[in-house]
Amino acid sequence: AQSVTQPDIHITVSEGASLELRCNYSYGATPYLFWYVQSPGQGLQLLLKYFSGDTLVQGIKGFEAEFKRSQSSFNLRKPSVHWSDAAEYFCAVGAGNNNDMRFGAGTRLTVKP
Amino acid sequence: EAGVAQSPRYKIIEKRQSVAFWCNPISGHATLYWYQQILGQGPKLLIQFQNNGVVDDSQLPKDRFSAERLKGVDSTLKIQPAKLEDSAVYLCASSLTGASYNEQFFGPGTRLTVL
Repeated sequence: AQSVTQPDIHITVSEGASLELRCNYSYGATPYLFWYVQSPGQGLQLLLKYFSGDTLVQGIKGFEAEFKRSQSSFNLRKPSVHWSDAAEYFCAVGAGNNNDMRFGAGTRLTVKP
Repeated sequence: EAGVAQSPRYKIIEKRQSVAFWCNPISGHATLYWYQQILGQGPKLLIQFQNNGVVDDSQLPKDRFSAERLKGVDSTLKIQPAKLEDSAVYLCASSLTGASYNEQFFGPGTRLTVL
C-alpha cells in the first residue's frame, strides 16, 4: 500500500520569506499526489494535485509543488508567506480506482511577523 | 454550492457511552468517506461508501464502530461503546465518484472527547 512521510513536524518562517514543505511518498506506480491545508477548527482544503503531465503544478493561494519521481518527492513551495498561511499542511497519496488516499502526519506552519 | 455538513461540531462523553455523528455530503456526490484524525496525525480512512454500498471498511474497528448510508445521501457513524483512544476529530468527505482523480471535499469535522 502507498504511504507518505512528512519529515518536518513544525516549521517557523517569517512573513514574506519563502517556504518549502517536504513530502516523500512510497508507491510502486505513478501516484496521485495532493496537498491539503487545515486551519484550526476547519476541514481540509485542497491546495493542489498532481496526476500526470507537467511535474510543476500550480495551486490556490500562490502555492506550487514539484513532483520528482527520482526522489519520490512532492514538495510544496511558496515564494512569499503571508500570516494567513499559518496552518497545518498535509501531503496525501492516492492510488487505485477507489480513491484510497493516505495522508502524512502533517507539518504545522507558524508565521512570524 | 453548499459544502459537506457535519454535526455535532463537538461532543464530550464518558468511556463506554455511545455516540453518533452525522454527515450530509455535497449534493450529487456518490462517494462518501469517514476519516479519523487523532491529534498530531493525519486523517485515517475508516470507511468509504459508493452510493449506499460499502467500498472499503478495512480500517474500521467493527467491534465498536458502525456506519450507514441508507439512502445513498447522508450518513451516520456510531461508536458503541467508546474508549479513551477514540478521542479524535471525525472528518466526513465526499467526492463526485470514487476515482482517485476526483477531489475529496471535507466537512469541518466533529471533535470527540472521551473522558
